[in-house]
Amino acid sequence: DAGVIQSPRHEVTEMGQEVTLRCKPISGHDYLFWYRQTMMRGLELLIYFNNNVPIDDSGMPEDRFSAKMPNASFSTLKIQPSEPRDSAVYFCASSSTDSRAEAFFGQGTRLTVV
Amino acid sequence: GEDVEQSLFLSVREGDSSVINCTYTDSSSTYLYWYKQEPGAGLQLLTYIFSNMDMKQDQRLTVLLNKKDKHLSLRIADTQTGDSAIYFCAERRDTGKLIFGQGTTLQVKP
Repeated sequence: DAGVIQSPRHEVTEMGQEVTLRCKPISGHDYLFWYRQTMMRGLELLIYFNNNVPIDDSGMPEDRFSAKMPNASFSTLKIQPSEPRDSAVYFCASSSTDSRAEAFFGQGTRLTVV
Repeated sequence: GEDVEQSLFLSVREGDSSVINCTYTDSSSTYLYWYKQEPGAGLQLLTYIFSNMDMKQDQRLTVLLNKKDKHLSLRIADTQTGDSAIYFCAERRDTGKLIFGQGTTLQVKP
C-alpha cells in the first residue's frame, strides 16, 4: 500500500476562496482523522470518522469548515470561505481497529491563505 | 479538559540521555504512543505502550507509564544528532479518538 495520500501538498489561495483538501486512507482502515498543525496550537484534532461516519467533530473551528467521507477510500476537508488564520499544515491519518491501532499519517497539505 | 500536555522544548548534548514527559487526561485510554516528526514530514510512530503495562523498552527507547498520575515519559539513551525532531505523545481512547500533545522539540547539540 502507498500509505495515506493527501492532495494537494501545497495550496496558496486568496482570502474568501473555497479550499478543498483531499485524503485517501490506507485500504482496510476503518478510522480516518483530520488534524491541523500550527506553531501556536500544535496538532489539533478537527474531526474523525469510523466506517465513513463522523464520530466527533467538536474540534472543527467554525461552520466554515466541513468534512465528508463518501466512501471508505476518500475524504475531503473543505473551508469556505477561507481566511488568513486558516493557514496551517493539515494532516490526514488512518488506522484500523487492530491490536495496537497505530495511526498512519499522510505527508500533509500546507495551506497558505493570503 | 481534553488536553494532552507536553513541555515544548528540550536541549541535550550528543551522547546524553533525553527524557520527554507527557500528561494525559482520560483514564479510559487504551494505548499511548510516541510519534516523531522530522522537518517537512508527517508523523511516524516511534513506539507505543498498552495501558496495562508500566514500562516498555525498545533498543535506545524506554517508555514509562504511570497510570495513577496519567503520566507518560520517553527516554532516549545515547541521544544522537539524528534524533533532533519534534516528539508527540498521544492517547487513544476507548471511543477510538486519538488526541496528541503539542509536541516537544528536541535539539541535540554536538
